[in-house]
Amino acid sequence: DGGITQSPKYLFRKEGQNVTLSCEQNLNHDAMYWYRQDPGQGLRLIYYSQIVNDFQKGDIAEGYSVSREKKESFPLTVTSAQKNPTAFYLCASSKWAWADTQYFGPGTRLTVL
Amino acid sequence: KNEVEQSPQNLTAQEGEFITINCSYSVGISALHWLQQHPGGGIVSLFMLSSGKKKHGRLIATINIQEKHSSLHITASHPRDSAVYICAVNYGQNFVFGPGTRLSVLP
Repeated sequence: DGGITQSPKYLFRKEGQNVTLSCEQNLNHDAMYWYRQDPGQGLRLIYYSQIVNDFQKGDIAEGYSVSREKKESFPLTVTSAQKNPTAFYLCASSKWAWADTQYFGPGTRLTVL
Repeated sequence: KNEVEQSPQNLTAQEGEFITINCSYSVGISALHWLQQHPGGGIVSLFMLSSGKKKHGRLIATINIQEKHSSLHITASHPRDSAVYICAVNYGQNFVFGPGTRLSVLP
């Protein structure tokens, strides 16, 4: 079955540690996105990638980094520079960037202690 | 920057009722999306539309480009429709999401 996966579902880290969230898709989609969701707020775009080896900052990229070495994979690293990393992180993909249906992964809930 | 508002914020309905959720935005867009988020957090895309109306099963989505407004209707609501419904707009190389409408359908 085609789909988009994220792992792990729950992640706990100590303050000051970097952590990498995984996102994989087998939908043959060119575009991939990372969003952050905080309670009571809408999703906010962290980074996006329209094609392999290219990615762009979204609205809240500070304290995060990404890579896109393979079409299927778009990992997100939450660095120690991110001041409030505890949140729900969602990865999505679409065949074409922007004006196309996005398919979302199940999300990773990160808690920094 | 595009501001996206949704109303109501919370909605409780009895099974079988007709439900309407509204979305308004401030800047011209290329597409509007309706998403459904279940309690576990997973999100499913329901509709993408840039004009007119779309229907899928008991769900209907409409958009009025001139008024910068969209509505999501659910006919014959069911407890399994209980979820957060999110409106998102695409303009240029950007996505802006509304805060969501939390719907509870009681049996």
